[in-house]
Amino acid sequence: KQEVTQIPAALSVPEGENLVLNCSFTDSAIYNLQWFRQDPGKGLTSLLLIQSSQREQTSGRLNASLDKSSGRSTLYIAASQPGDSATYLCATGGAGSYQLTFGKGTKLSVIP
Amino acid sequence: NAGVTQTPKFRILKIGQSMTLQCAQDMNHNYMYWYRQDPGMGLKLIYYSVGAGITDKGEVPNGYNVSRSTTEDFPLRLELAAPSQTSVYFCASSRDSYVYTFGSGTRLTVV
Repeated sequence: KQEVTQIPAALSVPEGENLVLNCSFTDSAIYNLQWFRQDPGKGLTSLLLIQSSQREQTSGRLNASLDKSSGRSTLYIAASQPGDSATYLCATGGAGSYQLTFGKGTKLSVIP
Repeated sequence: NAGVTQTPKFRILKIGQSMTLQCAQDMNHNYMYWYRQDPGMGLKLIYYSVGAGITDKGEVPNGYNVSRSTTEDFPLRLELAAPSQTSVYFCASSRDSYVYTFGSGTRLTVV
């Protein structure tokens, strides 16, 4: 059974810093990995989707990498802003499965 | 562009009561899902549907039922509510089972 772990559970940084959020998974036979953002009281917003054949994806100040062999993904946020404050979730999708397996998330606070 | 609409946003149920959580999407997506999120935990899949008339169980289906009579709607039925069903419920849809659009959630408390 796939298990997804996100460390740390919470992170506080000053505005302008670059930061890295970590995600690890136990079963490397994934089809894709996604990063989501969740704001309090809101639903999830898809940030980046990495297919298993890809190594990274970029969108604006966000860059996500995937290393299937080591079971790890990272989300890099450049020049953090207070508006980046949210909980970030990673989730893996398995081949032939409609289910995403989610980590518990990292709660990010960017201090002005 | 309404996306995925969930109603109600909040609900308090007494133990043993029943209710239906509504979910509608206007993107003509074939795939629809129900997830629950317990405090401090990741989301877990309850049920999913790959098209009208086709549904299947996810990881945590006990105590729930679904139906999918149209492409747009995917209601989740709770029968005999229990305190263990206190959670935030998210409905989601996707065109190709990869890129998801989530609703804003229904926060349910069973007392």
